[in-house]
Amino acid sequence: QVQLQESGPGLVKPSETLSLTCVVSGGSIRPHYWSWIRQSPGKGLEWIGNIYYSGSTDYNPSLKSRVTIAVDTSKNQISLKLTSVTAADTAVYYCARDLEDYGSGTHWFDAWGQGTRVTVSS
Amino acid sequence: SFELTQPPSVSVSPGQTARITCSGDALPNQYGSWYQQKPGQAPVLVIYKDSERPSGIPERFSGSSSGTRVTLTISGVQAEDEADYYCQSADSSGTYVVFGGGTELTVL
Repeated sequence: QVQLQESGPGLVKPSETLSLTCVVSGGSIRPHYWSWIRQSPGKGLEWIGNIYYSGSTDYNPSLKSRVTIAVDTSKNQISLKLTSVTAADTAVYYCARDLEDYGSGTHWFDAWGQGTRVTVSS
Repeated sequence: SFELTQPPSVSVSPGQTARITCSGDALPNQYGSWYQQKPGQAPVLVIYKDSERPSGIPERFSGSSSGTRVTLTISGVQAEDEADYYCQSADSSGTYVVFGGGTELTVL
């Protein structure tokens, strides 16, 4: 059974870059998509973007200018970088395995990490 | 932009049937999925592709789709089903993932 574990700094200063890593165990990065999803305190879920094991990416248009998602198949991990953070980026960040229906292009998430809490504050 | 609309809250008594709806203009062309989230925990997939149930999810959870709406039905609700439920789909191209705002299910 695949397991995902997010890690990274719990505190980031405003205007700096948030960097997180998600290690995948119990399964291979191939041949799946992998997504980052966040949840601000007391709020709903927000999709940040995804990456295919080959490296192709799609990002939420509202975050696209600040987001980079990368994959390292040799380490079975994916990463997230979010630049120029503000207090609005304070959230629990999840990585998730992202499955696709090739006919419709719809995606869904069948395995999630436990999440890592990031606070943006000086 | 593409949005999914859910009722903020639904309340049911134990043993009754809970129905949570999710509306969105792209739903006739895109599948819907549902996630259960309990406080302090990561979301758990309970329904995908409108009506498919992952292994390990109780049979009392079912899903359906009609036009611009998908519905999560929980039959014989139990106290342990009290949680937030989120629907999820994509824009008409399938490129961008969207979540509904979430529905808080209260078991009276």
